[in-house]
Amino acid sequence: GQQVMQIPQYQHVQEGEDFTTYCNSSTTLSNIQWYKQRPGGHPVFLIQLVKSGEVKKQKRLTFQFGEAKKNSSLHITATQTTDVGTYFCAGRTLMGGGSYIPTFGRGTSLIVHP
Amino acid sequence: DAGITQSPRHKVTETGTPVTLRCHQTENHRYMYWYRQDPGHGLRLIHYSYGVKDTDKGEVSDGYSVSRSKTEDFLLTLESATSSQTSVYFCAISESSENRGYGYTFGSGTRLTVV
Repeated sequence: GQQVMQIPQYQHVQEGEDFTTYCNSSTTLSNIQWYKQRPGGHPVFLIQLVKSGEVKKQKRLTFQFGEAKKNSSLHITATQTTDVGTYFCAGRTLMGGGSYIPTFGRGTSLIVHP
Repeated sequence: DAGITQSPRHKVTETGTPVTLRCHQTENHRYMYWYRQDPGHGLRLIHYSYGVKDTDKGEVSDGYSVSRSKTEDFLLTLESATSSQTSVYFCAISESSENRGYGYTFGSGTRLTVV
């Protein structure tokens, strides 16, 4: 079955440093989504990427979708303590029933030291 | 997020007892999902629904059943709870939209402990 590998599992940074998490799929994806989960909270949708080579930005966050639509990355510039949490990617392919069921990566936990 | 609620938020139950978790939405979304989240495993799909009385299994469905008799409610039942089912359970909803695709909105979760 489809697998989505996400690395690293944990990342410690000093406040102000950059951070990147990577997702790699064993199969070509129709799209990829990113979520953030604060400690003790629930995952919150950040963004969806659909097109090959797509790049989207949200303030200090930059999301990329690979040309082959098998990998994606999330880059945070100049981390802040508010960025603490676990970042998940979720890659989608078409499954039965007309719904699109994503496969989640295991997440990257970002720890920011002030 | 507004529009999706899970109950209860916390539950402690004994091994062998049945447990039902409830997910309620006010968004009229067609798709609803149950996930469990465990350290080192991320989010794993238990069951999902693509309409009233239309459900299907996810990757970790053994020991769980679901029902959806109304658009707004999706119930997850542990027929006979085991300690391995101690976890945080998240419900999610989705519907196609231009900006979000089928992006999920998650409930706040239910922390279930089986003793």
